Amino acid sequence: AQRVTQPEKLLSVFKGAPVELKCNYSYSGSPELFWYVQYSRQRLQLLLRHISRESIKGFTADLNKGETSFHLKKPFAQEEDSAMYYCAPSNAGNNRKLIWGLGTSLAVNP
Amino acid sequence: DAGITQSPRYKITETGRQVTLMCHQTWSHSYMFWYRQDLGHGLRLIYYSAAADITDKGEVPDGYVVSRSKTENFPLTLESATRSQTSVYFCASSPTSKPDTQYFGPGTRLTVL
Repeated sequence: AQRVTQPEKLLSVFKGAPVELKCNYSYSGSPELFWYVQYSRQRLQLLLRHISRESIKGFTADLNKGETSFHLKKPFAQEEDSAMYYCAPSNAGNNRKLIWGLGTSLAVNP
Repeated sequence: DAGITQSPRYKITETGRQVTLMCHQTWSHSYMFWYRQDLGHGLRLIYYSAAADITDKGEVPDGYVVSRSKTENFPLTLESATRSQTSVYFCASSPTSKPDTQYFGPGTRLTVL
């Protein structure tokens, strides 16, 4: 079965510290991988997708096929990064559907 | 972001009542989705639709009904609401050109008493 695991429910760091939100998936094939973010009182929105190899708001995510991981990283966390982060690989059988992790709540403290 | 809207934003109802949550998008996206978000479960797909008049079940469809007579609208109906359906409901849409990118509505917080 296709599964995605975000092992940390809550991650708390201080402003300026590096942050890494972990995501592991169990998959056959080569899924597309995404990180979505939900800021307080805002709607869920796409943060980045691995195929784009882009950096959004200072965040990057590297796909490690050997470890089947797609961790989200930022070298210097900011208070405005506090939010709920979801890792979401696409469904291997239907790429219109995403498999959602349970999310990690990131709190960046001043 | 104003391209996809949900109504109502908040709803309180009683067990056994029928409730319809509305979702409207102005982008003419082919795909639309309904999710529920609960603590400890993350986002779970209820139903999705590939186009007008084409719908399919997600992970947790029981107790819900959807329809899609027009591309822009995707209402979700709880036929006989139960307390376990208390949740935050999100509608999302996806364009044909980027099938994996989903654009979310603001959510509807539903409480079933």
